[in-house]
Amino acid sequence: QSALTQPASVSGSPGQSITIPCTAISSDVGGFNYVSWYQQHPGKAPKVMIYDVSNRPSGVSDRFSGSKSGNTASLTISGLQAEDEAEYFCSSYTNTNTLVVFGGGTKLTVL
Amino acid sequence: QVQLQESGPGLVKPSQTLSLTCTVSGGSINSGGYYWSWIRQHPGEGLEWIGFIYYSVSTYYNPSLKGLVTISLDTSTNQFSLNLGSVTAADTAIYYCARYAMAQGSFDYWGQGTLVTVSS
Repeated sequence: QSALTQPASVSGSPGQSITIPCTAISSDVGGFNYVSWYQQHPGKAPKVMIYDVSNRPSGVSDRFSGSKSGNTASLTISGLQAEDEAEYFCSSYTNTNTLVVFGGGTKLTVL
Repeated sequence: QVQLQESGPGLVKPSQTLSLTCTVSGGSINSGGYYWSWIRQHPGEGLEWIGFIYYSVSTYYNPSLKGLVTISLDTSTNQFSLNLGSVTAADTAIYYCARYAMAQGSFDYWGQGTLVTVSS
């Protein structure tokens, strides 16, 4: 069982907003401060969309935002576009021997 | 612009050693602040962290790989490598090399990935 839990799928219509939660199921992720989010299109490598919970790398659309409350981090995508349809993974640095863990991934479908 | 590119055999026999190399361009592998990493993705599944190397002196591995993994770094060629021993069909996956930015706590650059199949 992954240390980070995500829903298997979410969906939304173009223009809508969706939120993908990522819940830490143990205290192994420490303060859960080093949370990052990755977008992966089929056949492509993952791409970082959010780092350090809520920071956007240069070049990433401001439609993508991250937040955290307690042991749940969230990725919100506003103004959904067809190109946002992809798999999204959360990740965290931990204070165990498994230094980095990933969530199981969430498939976003844009209806 | 930093770029990473994996290379190595696409087919490995069971019980043998899987060996991959990642060539880094656009930046030095000897620069501080980054872990050079391997991550794999089983077909149709999620991501699994394999391990990190930092400056050729520090390595960190996923304990689930039970001591079968070694990551090394060659500053003269700006490459780092993965060796995974005693492979089984369960090691069939897409293998990615990536740079982990310590200040950001994220994998900021990735290779395109290479599929390695374990089969006789």
